[in-house]
Amino acid sequence: DTGVSQDPRHKITKRGQNVTFRCDPISEHNRLYWYRQTLGQGPEFLTYFQNEAQLEKSRLLSDRFSAERPKGSFSTLEIQRTEQGDSAMYLCASSIRTSGVSGANVLTFGAGSRLTVL
Amino acid sequence: KQEVTQIPAALSVPEGENLVLNCSFTDSAIYNLQWFRQDPGKGLTSLLLIQSSQREQTSGRLNASLDKSSGRSTLYIAASQPGDSATYLCAVRTSNAGKSTFGDGTTLTVKP
Repeated sequence: DTGVSQDPRHKITKRGQNVTFRCDPISEHNRLYWYRQTLGQGPEFLTYFQNEAQLEKSRLLSDRFSAERPKGSFSTLEIQRTEQGDSAMYLCASSIRTSGVSGANVLTFGAGSRLTVL
Repeated sequence: KQEVTQIPAALSVPEGENLVLNCSFTDSAIYNLQWFRQDPGKGLTSLLLIQSSQREQTSGRLNASLDKSSGRSTLYIAASQPGDSATYLCAVRTSNAGKSTFGDGTTLTVKP
């Protein structure tokens, strides 16, 4: 078990460019979450998947943002036409939906992908 | 809408002191509450998770309590060490599925 992996760790881009982040969850985890965190704030929920189905999206997720989780494995978060306000740490977390299991529903986070939009 | 508040925003203590971090939430119908630690520029590390049916959880020098009726949780850190310096965040989940709502954290500094 290598934990939750996120790539790239850092991305610097110019305003108007598209960026894509990848998250590889813990292999047996069927739930995957994306959060965004800005300096001095707690993480804000963006979206979550159960297997390959995207079950909830935040109003923060404008039409420039899209997330996918093909085949219920890794996930990608794409931001189109980036704006300076998109600069933040993008965090991915995973958990397993199983009742009665010790540690069930514990969120495990990756190290994050930091985006800087110039 | 669930709102989570952590006060104080920052706390500085001398090494060896016992301390309490606070987390308040507005909707008492929670599923679980999880405490995390975050080092600067890093991701979140889970410390303790308390299910709604539990009153407290312990791990080493850490003890977390939950009082749903008053909408409060506390994280107790015994015999603090400089290595405990970090930001501590609490997150509340309102249902089995879906999102957790985070507070903005308490930044702890433990001075040698």
